[in-house]
Amino acid sequence: ETGVTQTPRHLVMGMTNKKSLKCEQHLGHNAMYWYKQSAKKPLELMFVYNFKEQTENNSVPSRFSPECPNSSHLFLHLHTLQPEDSALYLCASSQDFSGALEQYFGPGTRLTVT
Amino acid sequence: GQNIDQPTEMTATEGAIVQINCTYQTSGFNGLFWYQQHAGEAPTFLSYNVLDGLEEKGRFSSFLSRSKGYSYLLLKELQMKDSASYLCAVSLPGGGNKLTFGTGTQLKVEL
Repeated sequence: ETGVTQTPRHLVMGMTNKKSLKCEQHLGHNAMYWYKQSAKKPLELMFVYNFKEQTENNSVPSRFSPECPNSSHLFLHLHTLQPEDSALYLCASSQDFSGALEQYFGPGTRLTVT
Repeated sequence: GQNIDQPTEMTATEGAIVQINCTYQTSGFNGLFWYQQHAGEAPTFLSYNVLDGLEEKGRFSSFLSRSKGYSYLLLKELQMKDSASYLCAVSLPGGGNKLTFGTGTQLKVEL
């Protein structure tokens, strides 16, 4: 248990659906991250939030829309996804985003787009 | 671009020692992390190196040579529970605590 929870753990959605992934951290951290983990590929950073403000969008398509209402919660809204978006989506948090700090990861949401 | 290389798979015997190598070529360097990820679980932090040399933490040690762009993770007295993927990640400068990951090394520990 890392102190970062994600729901749902598994999600199957069609290309025309709209769904949201939720992440919550109970560590009092100020920075939160979304990563994509595809088979045989490195973890890819998608978005970074610090004190609820988005500080990084790593050229992610607009069909992925993040939301950070407060420092403890992070959402990833999904719409009109493609089959190649099927992957494990991991959320992480760190105390803040200065320097090089350990990131605490959630267990991920396994997303399948049909 | 950023490039981090590590072997895809390794196999070792219970009780033995294994060394997992990581080489990197990145536009800047602010430290190197090792994470462990069991199948279906969250990556968990193992070690962080920012200066050259060896950092020891129980059965796990991590080494860094910045001039060579090279790190390794050393696991001693291997146990079956050490079977997992080991991820090497470089922290890039410029703020944002951004990590660039390698593809991970899948370690299988056998009897």
